[in-house]
Amino acid sequence: DVKVTQSSRYLVKRTGEKVFLECVQDMDHENMFWYRQDPGLGLRLIYFSYDVKMKEKGDIPEGYSVSREKKERFSLILESASTNQTSMYLCASRSNGARGWYGYTFGSGTRLTVV
Amino acid sequence: GQNIDQPTEMTATEGAIVQINCTYQTSGFNGLFWYQQHAGEAPTFLSYNVLDGLEEKGRFSSFLSRSKGYSYLLLKELQMKDSASYLCAVRDGSSNTGKLIFGQGTTLQVKP
Repeated sequence: DVKVTQSSRYLVKRTGEKVFLECVQDMDHENMFWYRQDPGLGLRLIYFSYDVKMKEKGDIPEGYSVSREKKERFSLILESASTNQTSMYLCASRSNGARGWYGYTFGSGTRLTVV
Repeated sequence: GQNIDQPTEMTATEGAIVQINCTYQTSGFNGLFWYQQHAGEAPTFLSYNVLDGLEEKGRFSSFLSRSKGYSYLLLKELQMKDSASYLCAVRDGSSNTGKLIFGQGTTLQVKP
């Protein structure tokens, strides 16, 4: 089974801190995604990457950046955390191959609280 | 624009049947997914429809009508463990990266 691992389940940070959320997948998937999930708003795409060192903005990229230096790792960076970035963050990956239609495999999520 | 609508909450009784509807308006279409998400956990894949019609998988079935921009997820013989959020998502057909656009999710509560 594909495994997508997010480094922290719960995180509390102070306003203005730089925050790194890490995501690692073990199945050599090309595509990786970062979403945030908020009540009543569903999952919203922040950034995605379709290859090493490649990235594209999603629907809500403001206040975030990403890094993909290795194929298996996709990092989400909050340059200066703000309280409106308190949310559940979900990482996902998928292959470009024939089985890609199965959709995403998600990590367990990181619940970030900014105080 | 991109818009996916599903009811916010539903309640049903153990052993019954429930249908969760999803309507979508997207600039491209390359398939529709249903995911199940228990509280505090990751979403898990339930079903995929790309052609019109019904896909059945055990107690769960999913239906798609592309001309109407409509899908539903049917859950039969409801069990208490089916209490969860159900996410409808459309695969963006405008690129080959397989971006999924999600609805806000339907929280289903199954009562004894």
